[in-house]
Amino acid sequence: KAGVTQTPRYLIKTRGQQVTLSCSPISGHRSVSWYQQTPGQGLQFLFEYFSETQRNKGNFPGRFSGRQFSNSRSEMNVSTLELGDSALYLCASSGAANSPLHFGNGTRLTVT
Amino acid sequence: AQTVTQSQPEMSVQEAETVTLSCTYDTSESNYYLFWYKQPPSRQMILVIRQEAYKQQNATENRFSVNFQKAAKSFSLKISDSQLGDTAMYFCAFMKSLNRDDKIIFGKGTRLHILP
Repeated sequence: KAGVTQTPRYLIKTRGQQVTLSCSPISGHRSVSWYQQTPGQGLQFLFEYFSETQRNKGNFPGRFSGRQFSNSRSEMNVSTLELGDSALYLCASSGAANSPLHFGNGTRLTVT
Repeated sequence: AQTVTQSQPEMSVQEAETVTLSCTYDTSESNYYLFWYKQPPSRQMILVIRQEAYKQQNATENRFSVNFQKAAKSFSLKISDSQLGDTAMYFCAFMKSLNRDDKIIFGKGTRLHILP
């Protein structure tokens, strides 16, 4: 079974631009969650989608948004990029209610 | 609100030694789930071990075991016979339940170096 796939692996953007990150979950997994990882803050939860609906949201500004498609693939969008948005963005999927999270390799976003 | 604290930002041990990573958490819940995740240089997060709070027996997965002290709200990870491939960031995490309506909360991580 293929794992969680995130694209692209690396991204360089300038301040003020917007960016879209993609996550393809493990086949059959309907829940997809997103995390931001920085050296200072560690791992922080962004949001979680299940069956195309956002079920949970972390404490991030409205510039961070996401969506999930009918095939469970998810995208995360960050608008008006700031230098502080530079981070590793991780996506995780899960299947049944008691199953653990499976993470992708992440997208490294650098904002200059 | 729940919090997870990992007090050791970085550790180094010699190969084949035993190492213990600390994790404390704060919650008013009586039942919950605790996890240790490993993030090697490849960046992929891998579930190492999971503990249900209602189970008194400490979870074990091969060379990895936990010391779960519910009253003290402590959840340390012990790695026995450490190997070079254990070099990674280790994250302790907490969830109120495995219902995906609940958020998983991570500690800031401990960077572990296994030295040859």
